[in-house]
Amino acid sequence: GAGVSQTPSNKVTEKGKYVELRCDPISGHTALYWYRQSLGQGPEFLIYFQGTGAADDSGLPNDRFFAVRPEGSVSTLKIQRTERGDSAVYLCASSSDSSSGNTIYFGEGSWLTVV
Amino acid sequence: AQTVTQSQPEMSVQEAETVTLSCTYDTSENNYYLFWYKQPPSRQMILVIRQEAYKQQNATENRFSVNFQKAAKSFSLKISDSQLGDTAMYFCAFTRNNAGNMLTFGGGTRLMVKP
Repeated sequence: GAGVSQTPSNKVTEKGKYVELRCDPISGHTALYWYRQSLGQGPEFLIYFQGTGAADDSGLPNDRFFAVRPEGSVSTLKIQRTERGDSAVYLCASSSDSSSGNTIYFGEGSWLTVV
Repeated sequence: AQTVTQSQPEMSVQEAETVTLSCTYDTSENNYYLFWYKQPPSRQMILVIRQEAYKQQNATENRFSVNFQKAAKSFSLKISDSQLGDTAMYFCAFTRNNAGNMLTFGGGTRLMVKP
C-alpha cells in the first residue's frame, strides 16, 4: 500500500481480555517497528523486526505482550490479559531496512482503551 | 541508555512569525542521528528534519532548520514563517548508529500557531 496501515483504528476492550493489533507496512520494507504512546507522552519503543525475526524485543513491558511477523510483511501485536494500564496508542512503523538514519514511516496508530 | 528532554510542554506563535523548539539529549555515543517529528491530531508521526551527528552543518528543510550543538547535546528546531498547518505536537528523537534505527523520543512540545 501507499503507507503504513494499522487496524483497528480504535479498540475498546474489557480488562482481562485478549487483543490483537495489526500492522501492514509499506510494501518492500524489511524493518518493522512497534511503539506505544501513552496520553501526553512521547512514543516508547516496544519491538522491531528485520524480516521475519524479532531483532530486538527489549521494550516489551512484560510477557503479556508478544508480536509476530511470520511472512516478513504484516505484523500482529498481541496483548494477553489486558490491564487498564495498557490503554495507549500503539504505533507501527516501517523502513526500507534497519540501517541507522533511514526514514521511518509511521501509521496512524491503534488506540486501545481497556475498561 | 539515551534520554531525550523537551523542556517546553506548550508553545504558541503568531502566523508568519518564527518559533524555536528546544531539545536536549544525553548519550555517550559519538555517532548518532537526531530527528524532529510532527504529530498532528491524525496521530501519524511525520518526519520533519534529520541531522547526522558527524555533520557539522545544520540541516534545513524549507521553513524548518535546526541548531545542532554537539558539545552541548542540544538540538533545537526553528520554524520560520509559521503556518496554521504547523499546529501539532513536535517530538525530538534520537537513534545511535548501528542500533537497528530504534528511536528514543522526548516528551513532546505542543505548538499552536495563532491566526
